[in-house]
Amino acid sequence: EAQVTQNPRYLITVTGKKLTVTCSQNMNHEYMSWYRQDPGLGLRQIYYSMNVEVTDKGDVPEGYKVSRKEKRNFPLILESPSPNQTSLYFCASSSRDGSLETQYFGPGTRLLVL
Amino acid sequence: AQSVTQPDIHITVSEGASLELRCNYSYGATPYLFWYVQSPGQGLQLLLKYFSGDTLVQGIKGFEAEFKRSQSSFNLRKPSVHWSDAAEYFCAVEKAAGNKLTFGGGTRVLVKP
Repeated sequence: EAQVTQNPRYLITVTGKKLTVTCSQNMNHEYMSWYRQDPGLGLRQIYYSMNVEVTDKGDVPEGYKVSRKEKRNFPLILESPSPNQTSLYFCASSSRDGSLETQYFGPGTRLLVL
Repeated sequence: AQSVTQPDIHITVSEGASLELRCNYSYGATPYLFWYVQSPGQGLQLLLKYFSGDTLVQGIKGFEAEFKRSQSSFNLRKPSVHWSDAAEYFCAVEKAAGNKLTFGGGTRVLVKP
């Protein structure tokens, strides 16, 4: 089954404690990205990656890091989380082949930073 | 910078009635345009997208959208809504293939029996 998986799905942490949210896709997609969703703001892109070892900033990259060492994985790293990073996070992947089913989102990770 | 506006934060519609969700974008050229749906507690599902060609695009679940260049709009429509269409809908634009998606703030749809 084609899918994007994220772990963990729910996370409560404290300010300053480094954390990583993993994202993995099994569709051999080149393009992956991270978004955060906040009420009234829709989804805002944090970082994206066009392929292995190619990453770039989205709209709200401050406080986040990413890496793309393998095609299937695109982890999101919060080196020193702060309460304003409390949000719902989505990972997405795409092959850009033009068909309707090429955009896939993960189930989301709900993060609370105390 | 590109931007997306969904003017309606909430829309309430009766089951069986028609639905239209508005989306306006700001960008110098024709971007790639998308509509996504997010059911409560779920991730996002792509309903349809426009890259080029026919300006009326058919999607899944009986939805369609029309691209109007002169109005910089990409409104989503459904002729007859079902209770299962209650969800939040997001319009998004992308400047070029492989670039970032910019989302609107979303429109929450409530369906009355």
